[in-house]
Amino acid sequence: GQQLNQSPQSMFIQEGEDVSMNCTSSSIFNTWLWYKQDPGEGPVLLIALYKAGELTSNGRLTAQFGITRKDSFLNISASIPSDVGIYFCAGRNYGGSQGNLIFGKGTKLSVKP
Amino acid sequence: DTGVSQNPRHKITKRGQNVTFRCDPISEHNRLYWYRQTLGQGPEFLTYFQNEAQLEKSRLLSDRFSAERPKGSFSTLEIQRTEQGDSAMYLCASRPWGGASTDTQYFGPGTRLTVL
Repeated sequence: GQQLNQSPQSMFIQEGEDVSMNCTSSSIFNTWLWYKQDPGEGPVLLIALYKAGELTSNGRLTAQFGITRKDSFLNISASIPSDVGIYFCAGRNYGGSQGNLIFGKGTKLSVKP
Repeated sequence: DTGVSQNPRHKITKRGQNVTFRCDPISEHNRLYWYRQTLGQGPEFLTYFQNEAQLEKSRLLSDRFSAERPKGSFSTLEIQRTEQGDSAMYLCASRPWGGASTDTQYFGPGTRLTVL
């Protein structure tokens, strides 16, 4: 099925560093969502974006809906060990049927204490 | 807010057996989705219900798969004659009725299926 292009695939960072990851699509999206998934668990919603250009924060997390509506990024500031996990972008594209989400392949984040 | 729940959390079965999973969505959410996730991939859409009506199925949902939501509340996903390729995490998500701001889907913990 169709998937978004998410990068990087994995990151190894030192505790306290900032993290940035992004997601791109060849088609226009109406909604961008960012989820975090721990091993053996379902994705947990971090941030939802509904308008082009929108910048939204959730604690140390900040995400933006790209102006072109074809991309989004997620930043994590001052990373801590519990940030470890897989981060997924997801979106509903313009004209997408019934709101089912399209997901990226994820960015695996590892944090060295 | 009890969130989306799924049962069982893990299922190990032999090839050829039938399995059934259950999803209980957030109570006020009328839209329910099933996704499948394999290792190293993001979730992929399988099917979608609005209330009790199954409105969409993806090509991933072969004839061996069937989903129901008889009373518009909980849903079941059945896989008949399981194959090793069915091994995956099966995720359920729900969302409320409404406009774009309700595109947000809330996921359950998933059911991990292993077919031996």
